[in-house]
Amino acid sequence: DTGVSQNPRHKITKRGQNVTFRCDPISEHNRLYWYRQTLGQGPEFLTYFQNEAQLEKSRLLSDRFSAERPKGSFSTLEIQRTEQGDSAMYLCASSLDSSGGREDTQYFGPGTRLTVL
Amino acid sequence: RKEVEQDPGPFNVPEGATVAFNCTYSNSASQSFFWYRQDCRKEPKLLMSVYSSGNEDGRFTAQLNRASQYISLLIRDSKLSDSATYLCVVRRNYGQNFVFGPGTRLSVLP
Repeated sequence: DTGVSQNPRHKITKRGQNVTFRCDPISEHNRLYWYRQTLGQGPEFLTYFQNEAQLEKSRLLSDRFSAERPKGSFSTLEIQRTEQGDSAMYLCASSLDSSGGREDTQYFGPGTRLTVL
Repeated sequence: RKEVEQDPGPFNVPEGATVAFNCTYSNSASQSFFWYRQDCRKEPKLLMSVYSSGNEDGRFTAQLNRASQYISLLIRDSKLSDSATYLCVVRRNYGQNFVFGPGTRLSVLP
């Protein structure tokens, strides 16, 4: 399968613990996005990387959240001192910067469902 | 007011019906527009991009009205497999920040 993969698919943790999620984008894609989705809502943008550079961060991304993409390939999203309000589906997407005027398509991974008890 | 709003739904329609979804956006400088489909407990998948001239892909037609800041999706001859949540997506005029609407759920009934 050459699509976007995310690990783990499910994570249950206790409040106050740290969690880390991983995203492996489609191999030739230089853009990578993180979103959060709660029940009944659309995905909310968290952050975006162009290669290894983190170019945008949402105000939703509090100090407890940090994302990295050290080699411009896979990315990790860490949440420190988790709170119950962090329970959500965390989605990763990737796209190829076409720079040719045509909008690049985002391909989503299956997500990591986080439950904070 | 949310930046992207959609019909609240759910829409329950019989097979073969024509159904239309509406979406409005508040940022007049928004650049790009899309419809995504999301099945229950699955990731969103691109259904179609929306161009100023309107575009059609089989049974699906998307239209954009920049003056009214309005996007629509029309599904003709709906199938059971069309049952899903349809997400309206707008890209802001800067960066790569894509804003998703809350989605409209469609159930096509036999």
